[in-house]
Amino acid sequence: ETGVTQTPRHLVMGMTNKKSLKCEQHLGHNAMYWYKQSAKKPLELMFVYNFKEQTENNSVPSRFSPECPNSSHLFLHLHTLQPEDSALYLCASSQTGGLKDETQYFGPGTRLLVL
Amino acid sequence: QQQVKQSPQSLIVQKGGISIINCAYENTAFDYFPWYQQFPGKGPALLIAIRPDVSEKKEGRFTISFNKSAKQFSLHIMDSQPGDSATYFCAANGTDKLIFGTGTRLQVFP
Repeated sequence: ETGVTQTPRHLVMGMTNKKSLKCEQHLGHNAMYWYKQSAKKPLELMFVYNFKEQTENNSVPSRFSPECPNSSHLFLHLHTLQPEDSALYLCASSQTGGLKDETQYFGPGTRLLVL
Repeated sequence: QQQVKQSPQSLIVQKGGISIINCAYENTAFDYFPWYQQFPGKGPALLIAIRPDVSEKKEGRFTISFNKSAKQFSLHIMDSQPGDSATYFCAANGTDKLIFGTGTRLQVFP
């Protein structure tokens, strides 16, 4: 079973709501990632954190705000989302984030529906 | 040129048959090519990966074939089983970012 957990597993929110997604990894890794998975589209990398520092922001709208308080926890704060933001949000971790052939370990995702 | 094109979008195979999924890329800087497997309700998990210095890599029933000159690589699942039913993603990495294909939903029927 994966060492990356995500909560909640499902979330329904209105466009004016504020909610947060949580990710926790129990693998001792130092890099964490947020991906967006939409049907029939490639996984889209959103943010990367290495040793708690953000190293990648893949032109993500400001209504998505990541937070990484330590190497084990990653949050994605959501506010004033749009219906097109409905998707599966996946968290992943890897050992260092600096090696191209590092395996990324994914959590089960949070299925988000924006009404 | 950061795209990885994957086909087919969906695949139905009889138990015991061979499943073949193809991917193509343009960026010659890519030099690491993993395949991820995703079951419903789960996140993707690394299945097998290859570097371009070899043309084939086999792990059990799963084989990656790599054609560097054509910039194509494929996943072959031999003796496909119902338990292989999942979505498969190819990916490529040339720097520090994985670029994923669009995924192939494989269904293996008994």
